[in-house]
Amino acid sequence: DSGVTQTPKHLITATGQRVTLRCSPRSGDLSVYWYQQSLDQGLQFLIQYYNGEERAKGNILERFSAQQFPDLHSELNLSSLELGDSALYFCASSGTGGPGNTIYFGEGSWLTVV
Amino acid sequence: GQNIDQPTEMTATEGAIVQINCTYQTSGFNGLFWYQQHAGEAPTFLSYNVLDGLEEKGRFSSFLSRSKGYSYLLLKELQMKDSASYLCAVSPYGGATNKLIFGTGTLLAVQP
Repeated sequence: DSGVTQTPKHLITATGQRVTLRCSPRSGDLSVYWYQQSLDQGLQFLIQYYNGEERAKGNILERFSAQQFPDLHSELNLSSLELGDSALYFCASSGTGGPGNTIYFGEGSWLTVV
Repeated sequence: GQNIDQPTEMTATEGAIVQINCTYQTSGFNGLFWYQQHAGEAPTFLSYNVLDGLEEKGRFSSFLSRSKGYSYLLLKELQMKDSASYLCAVSPYGGATNKLIFGTGTLLAVQP
């Protein structure tokens, strides 16, 4: 158990819908990351937050957004869902968010879009 | 651009030693990570190398050569539970982010 908590673990929704994935980082960690893992691709970085502020952005679609709240939990919002958005979404956290910090992953949220 | 290459699949025998290679070409370098991932589960941290040389941690060792853009993960005394995907990841960016770039992973099958 990494200490990173994600909910829900599984989610099935229809195309065009919107979902919110939630993440609580490890105790004491200030930085949160979101990654997407599809069957045909490796882990793709989406976005990083540090202490409530966006720190780095990857290939995150405009239909996706995220935020980190004052209590440091984070949410990833996925809207206008398409079949291709079906994937495993991981949240991860690290202490300070700088280079070399080990990133610890949560168990992931399985999203299936039908 | 950023590029990380690993073999797609490997097979090894229980009790043996296996070496999983990773080569990278990135715009910068602030360290290389190895993660283990069982199917459908979270990646779990194995090792971190930022300086050249070998880091040993129990049955697992990781080597880095920055000049060659090369790393390997060495697994000794293989066990069936070591069957998993092994992910090589590079931290290429400086500044204030530890955004990691991952390879597509090497699926290791350990056979009896």
